[in-house]
Amino acid sequence: AQSVTQLGSHVSVSEGALVLLRCNYSSSVPPYLFWYVQYPNQGLQLLLKYTSAATLVKGINGFEAEFKKSETSFHLTKPSAHMSDAAEYFCAVSYNFNKFYFGSGTKLNVKP
Amino acid sequence: DTGVSQNPRHKITKRGQNVTFRCDPISEHNRLYWYRQTLGQGPEFLTYFQNEAQLEKSRLLSDRFSAERPKGSFSTLEIQRTEQGDSAMYLCASSLDRADTQYFGPGTRLTVL
Repeated sequence: AQSVTQLGSHVSVSEGALVLLRCNYSSSVPPYLFWYVQYPNQGLQLLLKYTSAATLVKGINGFEAEFKKSETSFHLTKPSAHMSDAAEYFCAVSYNFNKFYFGSGTKLNVKP
Repeated sequence: DTGVSQNPRHKITKRGQNVTFRCDPISEHNRLYWYRQTLGQGPEFLTYFQNEAQLEKSRLLSDRFSAERPKGSFSTLEIQRTEQGDSAMYLCASSLDRADTQYFGPGTRLTVL
């Protein structure tokens, strides 16, 4: 069965520090990969997606993610955290765009 | 473009009652998805429509759940004989085509007493 694992349900960083949110998938076939963000009381919003083009994907708000097939990973990074980045982040995979599998989410807290 | 809308935003019902939720996708979006999200979890796929055709349905979806998308426009999700375990946020998303961005609605929060 396909699954997505997000290590760390809560991550806390200081403002200006590196953000690293981890995502691993478990399948022998590389999927399409996505990161979504959910701000409090708002709907899910796409940050970025990997669809088999460049392995380093740049998204909105300065976030980027790198697809590493050998590690079955798609970790999300941002060089310098901002207070406005505090939100919940979800990694998701799909193999055909008909069905999507989401991880359990990582809540990012940014300390002043 | 007003985004994906869902109604009602909140629904409280008693166990055993039937409930129906509505999703209005972004205009001209061919694909429509339903998800369920419980506290502390990510969205869980329920079903997918391509225009009016329901092409994918999660095996987790029991016979009490049914979804329709008549004429390929809005969609409804009905839960019959609700159970306390059905309490969750029900999310709808739409996209224009296969590899396009999914846009999510604000969700309908269901509480079953």
